[in-house]
Amino acid sequence: DVKVTQSSRYLVKRTGEKVFLECVQDMDHENMFWYRQDPGLGLRLIYFSYDVKMKEKGDIPEGYSVSREKKERFSLILESASTNQTSMYLCASSLWGGMGNQPQHFGDGTRLSIL
Amino acid sequence: QQQVKQSPQSLIVQKGGISIINCAYENTAFDYFPWYQQFPGKGPALLIAIRPDVSEKKEGRFTISFNKSAKQFSLHIMDSQPGDSATYFCAASKTGTASKLTFGTGTRLQVTL
Repeated sequence: DVKVTQSSRYLVKRTGEKVFLECVQDMDHENMFWYRQDPGLGLRLIYFSYDVKMKEKGDIPEGYSVSREKKERFSLILESASTNQTSMYLCASSLWGGMGNQPQHFGDGTRLSIL
Repeated sequence: QQQVKQSPQSLIVQKGGISIINCAYENTAFDYFPWYQQFPGKGPALLIAIRPDVSEKKEGRFTISFNKSAKQFSLHIMDSQPGDSATYFCAASKTGTASKLTFGTGTRLQVTL
């Protein structure tokens, strides 16, 4: 089974801090994704990566950046945390699959609170 | 701009009943429509998916119905069980976008005894 591991289940940080969320997948997947999940808003894509050192903005990239130095690891960075970034953050991975669609496999999330 | 609209937001169904969740999309380029199931404290997991060349796909008690002309698709859970209580998300993507998904807002399903 594919395993996507997010380094923290719960995280509390202060406004203005630089925050790192880490995600590791063990199935050699090319694609990796970061979402935030908020009640009533579903899952919204922040950034995704289809290869090492490659990244593309999703629907809500403002205030975030990402890093993918190794294929198995995808990091989400909050440059200067703000209270409106309090949320559940979900990481996912999938095979490239050529031009077709491949299922995404999710981690169990990091609940981040910014005080 | 919400490209995938999902309803209802919450749903209560008695054990043995049929649960129906509806989604509508706007982008006619979408060609892959999965449903994800999420239990509390867990990440979403793929439940079932359909492509627009078929109008229905069934896997056990779960069925996707797809109406291309109306740009709508729905999830039917037959003989609903308490273990089906979860949040369900519809999603859509188009070929060539690295499997990038656009999700609906989710439906919280509660199956009562």
